[in-house]
Amino acid sequence: QKEVEQNSGPLSVPEGAIASLNCTYSDRGSQSFFWYRQYSGKSPELIMSIYSNGDKEDGRFTAQLNKASQYVSLLIRDSQPSDSATYLCALTPQGGSEKLVFGKGMKLTVNP
Amino acid sequence: DGGITQSPKYLFRKEGQNVTLSCEQNLNHDAMYWYRQDPGQGLRLIYYSQIVNDFQKGDIAEGYSVSREKKESFPLTVTSAQKNPTAFYLCASSDGQGGTEAFFGQGTRLTVV
Repeated sequence: QKEVEQNSGPLSVPEGAIASLNCTYSDRGSQSFFWYRQYSGKSPELIMSIYSNGDKEDGRFTAQLNKASQYVSLLIRDSQPSDSATYLCALTPQGGSEKLVFGKGMKLTVNP
Repeated sequence: DGGITQSPKYLFRKEGQNVTLSCEQNLNHDAMYWYRQDPGQGLRLIYYSQIVNDFQKGDIAEGYSVSREKKESFPLTVTSAQKNPTAFYLCASSDGQGGTEAFFGQGTRLTVV
């Protein structure tokens, strides 16, 4: 099993809808979790980090972490066409190393 | 402005040639990383360094080499041993303290001609 699994999609939602992106991971000891947004041809941009169980909200974005079930999700409320991008889930695995492991990403399209 | 600078933005390599990609950061970060991204794929870790003069192989280190002589700099050399080097290369850094956030440079697109 890969360390970080994302449904590669693509996911298409209408403008104004809620987009839900999910990620599961295999290393139960993983401590830190991140969501990056990557526009086509550009480098990834950090949009959310979450370190403890529960929800973390930042504007239209909510990250949810459930360590018992080993999943992390990102909700985008009131989706806008400018949210159309690939969303990458990442984590730091157990073991004290600072390396960052990424999922393959989910392409989101928000239709006007 | 603080940030991570990668150069060049585009690079063309002939068969059998070594090329070096530059990555410089002025964020005073301890940890630096190199990733490779192929079309439609996620990021795969090539090398990472948590401290000056030390670095570790990632998942796909074969055909690549790095150095970390200064805290600010983490150059990546793509050697002739790397058989399929055409890809988008991304450098990142973090402060290296307990799984903190990593930030990326703008990337270098390498093409073999």
